[in-house]
Amino acid sequence: GAVVSQHPSRVICKSGTSVKIECRSLDFQATTMFWYRQFPKKSLMLMATSNEGSKATYEQGVEKDKFLINHASLTLSTLTVTSAHPEDSSFYICSANTGTRAYEQYFGPGTRLTVT
Amino acid sequence: SQQGEEDPQALSIQEGENATMNCSYKTSINNLQWYRQNSGRGLVHLILIRSNEREKHSGRLRVTLDTSKKSSSLLITASRAADTASYFCATEGQETSGSRLTFGEGTQLTVNP
Repeated sequence: GAVVSQHPSRVICKSGTSVKIECRSLDFQATTMFWYRQFPKKSLMLMATSNEGSKATYEQGVEKDKFLINHASLTLSTLTVTSAHPEDSSFYICSANTGTRAYEQYFGPGTRLTVT
Repeated sequence: SQQGEEDPQALSIQEGENATMNCSYKTSINNLQWYRQNSGRGLVHLILIRSNEREKHSGRLRVTLDTSKKSSSLLITASRAADTASYFCATEGQETSGSRLTFGEGTQLTVNP
């Protein structure tokens, strides 16, 4: 149980276009989902916390107009990278909570975004 | 949030040897977890240790926690080539709201056959 999927797993887009990444909890309802960004050989940096039905809470330094997060249901959160630039190229990972504690997070397989 | 530190950043050993990775953190915590990440993949949860625990075992994994030093170690015994991956610690701080995790910088482990 507690499976989280991400789609797509890999995407290449041109500069200036927008890309949407989906995060789904497949066998549980997630009141909270998290979006992380990971640079090569680096750690995960939390970008935002997403609660179903409310606005996402962004970490300091993360542009909310650039990284749009929508948590429309208890099983789906989306991250849209708007007007993507090459510096947005990264590995994006989502996680979903089965409860209210941090250790109840389950991680998706990640999405590799390359902006050309 | 501040990231924790892990050392070594990279570790290369021979199959059968033990691998020890360390993690330090900065704030008071409720618990600490270790995760594994294969290249280009998501995170796999390995083990959780609570702040009132000092040591925990799971198969070939042994985790210790020293809250006075704000540090933890992950020991993998009798390593295998398949253990090659990045290993991250992550803490749930007492002060953080909700269910946020703060990740360490990670250790890249290479087990040579």
